[in-house]
Amino acid sequence: KQEVTQIPAALSVPEGENLVLNCSFTDSAIYNLQWFRQDPGKGLTSLLLIQSSQREQTSGRLNASLDKSSGRSTLYIAASQPGDSATYLCAVLISNSGNTPLVFGKGTRLSVIA
Amino acid sequence: KAGVTQTPRYLIKTRGQQVTLSCSPISGHRSVSWYQQTPGQGLQFLFEYFSETQRNKGNFPGRFSGRQFSNSRSEMNVSTLELGDSALYLCASSLGQGVGYTFGSGTRLTVV
Repeated sequence: KQEVTQIPAALSVPEGENLVLNCSFTDSAIYNLQWFRQDPGKGLTSLLLIQSSQREQTSGRLNASLDKSSGRSTLYIAASQPGDSATYLCAVLISNSGNTPLVFGKGTRLSVIA
Repeated sequence: KAGVTQTPRYLIKTRGQQVTLSCSPISGHRSVSWYQQTPGQGLQFLFEYFSETQRNKGNFPGRFSGRQFSNSRSEMNVSTLELGDSALYLCASSLGQGVGYTFGSGTRLTVV
């Protein structure tokens, strides 16, 4: 059974710092991995999607990497801003056959202090 | 283009009642998934529909049910509500497996 873990559960950093959020999964046979952001009481906003054949994806100040063999993904946020404060979730899709849902980690709650 | 729309945004129900939540996917998306989010359990998968057929179901009791209409809109129903059903219910739509999911803003259900 696929399990996704995100460590740390919470992180507080000063504005301007570069930071890395970690996501690990137990079964390396994934189809893709998606990073989401969730603001308090709100839905999920997709940040980056990495297919299993890719090593990384970039969008603005965000860069996500994927190492399937070690069961790890990282989300790198450059020059953090107070507006980046949110919970960040990673989710893996095991197969594109239609029989499997996204499996989520419990998230990392990020606070960026001005 | 319009995103995933969930209605209502907030609901307060009494134990024993039933509730219906609605989700309108992005135009052209035929896959709709439902998730329950609670502080203790995180995001848990409820079910997924594709072209009006349930393709997958999570480990929830039979009180939780859903359906999808021909226009891809989906509803989920929870009968005989319990206090533990209080949660944020999220709907996600996708063009198909493997191309990423777009989530709605959720429906916050409170059972008192």
